[in-house]
This record gives sequence, structure tokens and C-alpha cells, in this order.
Amino acid sequence: GEDVEQSLFLSVREGDSSVINCTYTDSSSTYLYWYKQEPGAGLQLLTYIFSNMDMKQDQRLTVLLNKKDKHLSLRIADTQTGDSAIYFCALSRDYKLSFGAGTTVTVRA
Amino acid sequence: EAGVAQSPRYKIIEKRQSVAFWCNPISGHATLYWYQQILGQGPKLLIQFQNNGVVDDSQLPKDRFSAERLKGVDSTLKIQPAKLEDSAVYLCASSPRSSYNEQFFGPGTRLTVL
Repeated sequence: GEDVEQSLFLSVREGDSSVINCTYTDSSSTYLYWYKQEPGAGLQLLTYIFSNMDMKQDQRLTVLLNKKDKHLSLRIADTQTGDSAIYFCALSRDYKLSFGAGTTVTVRA
Repeated sequence: EAGVAQSPRYKIIEKRQSVAFWCNPISGHATLYWYQQILGQGPKLLIQFQNNGVVDDSQLPKDRFSAERLKGVDSTLKIQPAKLEDSAVYLCASSPRSSYNEQFFGPGTRLTVL
């Protein structure tokens, strides 16, 4: 199976950068994703990266993929209070997603 | 465009009772998924439909869970009888046939089994 691991909590000061990390065991995934979940809501796709890419930037979001180390990260620049949420790393294989347990990001003033 | 709709949003039942959840995917999305999200964990796929056919139900506890998507649009997920460990948020997602498989999630149904 595709074991996906994330650190559980991250606290960051408003205006600083946040870095959320994810490691995985199965390297055959085609796409890797970052989802955001706010309280009481479903998951929202933030960004994704194709497995043959090393980096993808989308406004304040930067995704880095290290296939050798099976490590995926999400950097949020200029973190805002609205970024407080749970962030899930997910891997896709055969149109199915495997999720990590999520990282709870708390933005403090 | 309207998002994925789910109802009810909350349900509280006693163990051994039955419960059903409903999902209406985004119009035109052929693929529909049901996930179980236990508190503190990521979503776990229960079943995947392509139109009205089951693609993958390997993680569905078939002794108590059932799901159907009769006309290839709406779907229902049923639990009968419920156990305490079924307490979770049940998420429905739908997806168009795209290269990167973006899945659009509904708000979920929070089930509490007492």
C-alpha cells in the first residue's frame, strides 16, 4: 500500500513561511497532491505535482518533490490567518487517492 | 457550478441501528467516491463508482456497509447495523475524467454512534 506520513502539528507566525512535509513509501504514484480542510468542510485541492517534476509554484504555494528520498513538501509564503487548517498530502494510483493523516497548521498573530 | 451535495450533515444513532447517507455529485462527473474519515486521520476510500458500476470496493466492510448509484448520478451509502467504531465523517467526492484526477469533495456527513 501507499503509506503516507506527515507531522501532526505546525505553528507559524503570521507573515512567516510555513513548510509542511510528507514522506511516502510507494514511488509509483503518478500525481501527488496537497489538500486543505477547514473545520466542518470537505477537502479542497490546493495544488498537485506530476511525478516527473521537481518543483511547482502557484502564487504563494511552492511544492517540492524529492523522488529519491520519497519526500514531498508544501511551502506557504506570507502565511495568513486564513491558512489555518488541516493540510493533507495524497498520492494517486489508478485513480485512487491515499491520504496522510494531515498536518494541523495554526497561524498565530 | 454547484458543488458536491451531501445530506444529512449530522446524524446521531445508537449502535445496531441503521443509517443512510446521500450524495449528489457535480453534474457530468462520471466518477463518484465515498470516503470514511475517522477523527485525526486522513480519508480512507470505501468505494469508487464509474457511472453506475463499482470500480473498487475492496475497503468496504460488506457485512454492514452497502452503496449504490443506480442511475449513475446520485449515490447512497448505508450502514446496517452500525457499530461504535463507525463514528466518523463520511465524505463523498466526484471527479471528471481528467489526467490529474482532481476530486471535488462534499462537506461530509458527521456520524456519531452511541
